[in-house]
Amino acid sequence: TQLLEQSPQFLSIQEGENLTVYCNSSSVFSSLQWYRQEPGEGPVLLVTVVTGGEVKKLKRLTFQFGDARKDSSLHITAAQPGDTGLYLCAGLYNFNKFYFGSGTKLNVKP
Amino acid sequence: GAGVSQSPSNKVTEKGKDVELRCDPISGHTALYWYRQSLGQGLEFLIYFQGNSAPDKSGLPSDRFSAERTGGSVSTLTIQRTQQEDSAVYLCASSLGLAGTTDTQYFGPGTRLTVL
Repeated sequence: TQLLEQSPQFLSIQEGENLTVYCNSSSVFSSLQWYRQEPGEGPVLLVTVVTGGEVKKLKRLTFQFGDARKDSSLHITAAQPGDTGLYLCAGLYNFNKFYFGSGTKLNVKP
Repeated sequence: GAGVSQSPSNKVTEKGKDVELRCDPISGHTALYWYRQSLGQGLEFLIYFQGNSAPDKSGLPSDRFSAERTGGSVSTLTIQRTQQEDSAVYLCASSLGLAGTTDTQYFGPGTRLTVL
């Protein structure tokens, strides 16, 4: 059973388009992290959100944690080919361990 | 090196053989995690260490899987009598503080295990 569901699973868009990736659960998380992973490498942390309703911006990336701390979204504005990769959300459950979503594979075409 | 290193980078083995995967965390990091990732999928938690002890082994898929950490540093993940379903990328991560906090996990490049 997947504790965190990500959607969409795959996304192929043109450079310059906007996109949103969703991470949903029926469980409450202490915090939630977003990672980006490129082929042959480990995931790299992009952001950690802790407070319900929190919004964080990282250049063209905007991350939001749901008010109830059960869901999160990642919005990318004016996507670039360098944004291509696997995006993973990970929720900290019971201050104990991280559960990862199944990932969203993003391809940005020049 | 400054980052988390894992060895070997690739391992091909025959069904039924034992394999040992190694992780060298960032120096001074007290928490160490093992995950498993199937092709292009999310990460499946296996086990984490706080120092040399493993408070949570609940993610280990079966008793064929074991892990240890010595000296609060290097960790090895051992899979006995490998099965084809064990084929995956095994990722190790370390973090500075207490496991299970919002400390940043730094991941190694992984070991790709293929069981024929």
